Amino acid sequence: DAGITQSPRHKVTETGTPVTLRCHQTENHRYMYWYRQDPGHGLRLIHYSYGVKDTDKGEVSDGYSVSRSKTEDFLLTLESATSSQTSVYFCAISGTGGYSSTDTQYFGPGTRLTVL
Amino acid sequence: DQQVKQNSPSLSVQEGRISILNCDYTNSMFDYFLWYKKYPAEGPTFLISISSIKDKNEDGRFTVFLNKSAKHLSLHIVPSQPGDSAVYFCAATGGATNKLIFGTGTLLAVQP
Repeated sequence: DAGITQSPRHKVTETGTPVTLRCHQTENHRYMYWYRQDPGHGLRLIHYSYGVKDTDKGEVSDGYSVSRSKTEDFLLTLESATSSQTSVYFCAISGTGGYSSTDTQYFGPGTRLTVL
Repeated sequence: DQQVKQNSPSLSVQEGRISILNCDYTNSMFDYFLWYKKYPAEGPTFLISISSIKDKNEDGRFTVFLNKSAKHLSLHIVPSQPGDSAVYFCAATGGATNKLIFGTGTLLAVQP
């Protein structure tokens, strides 16, 4: 299994509070991704990073920001959490950003976030 | 606009029989397709993939078929085992994006 951890694994917070989720990898992979999983929507990309300090938006980036100051850490921040951001958040990593049977995205265990 | 569609939210099959999970896509620029498997409280894990230059890829009990003209792919699991019970996500990439576009998932239940 790829060495990816996410913290916290569960969090309950209130509307309007800031929240930061952390993804940590030990694989030295260049690419890191944040997804959210919701019923009826599958997995949707929030933001991704293609190197230290290099990030870009995904399809559902509104209300989220990211930072990557080290290769191994990718942070997702909800500046002011809303109930619509209640979801399960997954981090993923990949080596080249390309795709083959041996190079694809590997996912972390997820963080379940509830915004009351 | 859902570019990758899994129209069956759930599927139930008997142990030992074949499971067929379907996926349709709308973007003709997609050229690489993947299937991920997800157990509850875990992250998705890569299962099998196929490039658009092929129409079939096999890995043990798992085979993925691609019909480019119909923009359709399917995952066959033979024989199905109770441990295969999970949510299966289809994903696609290609064209102007190197990002993965996921379907909504199909929950497979394999009955002993």
